[in-house]
Formats: sequence, structure tokens, C-alpha cells
Amino acid sequence: QQQVKQSPQSLIVQKGGISIINCAYENTAFDYFPWYQQFPGKGPALLIAIRPDVSEKKEGRFTISFNKSAKQFSLHIMDSQPGDSATYFCAASMAGGVNDYKLSFGAGTTVTVRA
Amino acid sequence: EAQVTQNPRYLITVTGKKLTVTCSQNMNHEYMSWYRQDPGLGLRQIYYSMNVEVTDKGDVPEGYKVSRKEKRNFPLILESPSPNQTSLYFCASRVRGRDEQFFGPGTRLTVL
Repeated sequence: QQQVKQSPQSLIVQKGGISIINCAYENTAFDYFPWYQQFPGKGPALLIAIRPDVSEKKEGRFTISFNKSAKQFSLHIMDSQPGDSATYFCAASMAGGVNDYKLSFGAGTTVTVRA
Repeated sequence: EAQVTQNPRYLITVTGKKLTVTCSQNMNHEYMSWYRQDPGLGLRQIYYSMNVEVTDKGDVPEGYKVSRKEKRNFPLILESPSPNQTSLYFCASRVRGRDEQFFGPGTRLTVL
């Protein structure tokens, strides 16, 4: 039973377009929400992360939007480039206790950016 | 270069033949974990270790063993592999009290 539900499973976007990936969670104890980016043949790498005290975080073309009341968060990739083609995983964790910083991952979204 | 290394990167084996996948990190991280990645399921934690000689089960530990005799190494052991353990495996490490995990390049395992 996945604690973080991610959609869509895959998406195709034209170069310059916007990619949007959505995630939802149930455990209100989660207090850290990272996105990991994985290129073919590589391990995942941290892309951007947010804590629930803010509703949005932007780093370059990547933005996380966070809705605490709806228990949802999303990744927006603006001006998508072919180099953004990768699999993106959302995740969630909580600090402290036996589950200290244990990451629960979504199922992943494969993004393909067409030139 | 700070990194997590795994060996082998690719392995094809047969049911029941014991195997070990090694993992090593050079960042002096306390925490290390093993994950498996399967289509439609994302990454699921198999085992984790909070320090030398301290290990615990993750979400899918059945059929796996681990050990942590040195801080830098965290091998994954499959005593009697079965076809349902065919998967992509990742080792990861992080600093105690910090959120970011650093992943290795992965090991593609096929059990026939």
C-alpha cells in the first residue's frame, strides 16, 4: 500500500511546454516532500523539496506547489526541455522516531519532452 | 568524488544461487538503505541501517539479508534468490539528521 499516490504514470510534452505531475498523501505527520529525478541508467537524485510551512518553492524552471489542506503537492516544469526527459518521483517523510526521515516514494512519472 | 558505488551493475543468476550485491559510500554517512524499483511501484525500502551493527527491516524485507560491519559498506544478500526478486536495486546513504538521500547507480538483477 503506497503512502504517496502519484499521477500520471507518463506524459509527453512539447519543447517549451509545461509538465505537471501530481502527488497525494494521507499521513498528516509527513513534513518533508522531495522530488527526485532519475535519468535512464542512473540512480535518483534530489531535484527540489518543500516543507509544509510554505505553499510554493521555485528553483529555476522547477516549482513545487503544496496544498496542506488537500494533502496534495505537485511539480511543475516550465519551459520543458529535451534534457528534462526523465522519470520523476515524489516522496514524503517525517522527522523523528523509528521512521526518522524514512522516504515513502510515489510510483514515478516518465516525462518525455519532444523537440 | 563523493559517491555511492554498487557492484555488480548487472547480474543474471538462477533460482537458489546465493548472491551478494555490494554497496559502498565515501561520504561518512551514518544512514544507508537498500531499495528495489519495480514498474508502477516506485522505490520500496528493503532494509536500512542507522549505523554500524544497527539494521532494521524496511517495507519489503522478505528474502533479503543485510549487514553493516563497517560504516562505509552495506551489502545486500540474497540467500536463495527467486524470480520475484528480479528487479532494479539501489543503495542510498544520507547524513543523520538530514533529509537528502544519495543513491548509487543501481544493480539490475535477473533471476531465472
